Amino acid sequence: GESVGLHLPTLSVQEGDNSIINCAYSNSASDYFIWYKQESGKGPQFIIDIRSNMDKRQGQRVTVLLNKTVKHLSLQIAATQPGDSAVYFCAEIFTGGGNKLTFGTGTQLKVEL
Amino acid sequence: GAGVSQSPSNKVTEKGKDVELRCDPISGHTALYWYRQSLGQGLEFLIYFQGNSAPDKSGLPSDRFSAERTGGSVSTLTIQRTQQEDSAVYLCASSRRVNTGELFFGEGSRLTVL
Repeated sequence: GESVGLHLPTLSVQEGDNSIINCAYSNSASDYFIWYKQESGKGPQFIIDIRSNMDKRQGQRVTVLLNKTVKHLSLQIAATQPGDSAVYFCAEIFTGGGNKLTFGTGTQLKVEL
Repeated sequence: GAGVSQSPSNKVTEKGKDVELRCDPISGHTALYWYRQSLGQGLEFLIYFQGNSAPDKSGLPSDRFSAERTGGSVSTLTIQRTQQEDSAVYLCASSRRVNTGELFFGEGSRLTVL
């Protein structure tokens, strides 16, 4: 079936640098995308979302970019901090089929001091 | 206010036994989800409840798995005749409204089947 996947399983960055986490999705019908952060031993935590009628959305230190042409989603974290170390998941929803989130496999972000 | 509460946090059981996992969603949240996460893996959708509508059970892996949501609040996920491949963290989440990707997750119930 269709699924969401990530390009890089592990990403290491220096503290203070910007991080870019990528995600590819294959369901062209998906129209709503979300990023989650999961710290060790905890449940995932919502970061930011974007609907398909937008190509960019900004939050606090985070920006999500959506490229529907190539079915690509990215999460940019500015001035990465040690507290950003976690696994990041993208998720997609086809809102016409209910509100079921399909998650990708995750990227481990490691922030080096 | 309190977040999503799950119990037990850890459960060790023998193959063939039945287990029940409980989820208390955030008060007032209309939607409730169950996901399963195996070690180092992503989240696998199991089931989704939305208000009084029929649940979306499309992710349940076999008929050994079932879930109920009583009174639009507390939910119980039941796994009958557990197998070793059922070992995982079972995550519950709730959301305050429909058509939102902002789910509030509990910390999960870690199930180990020996």
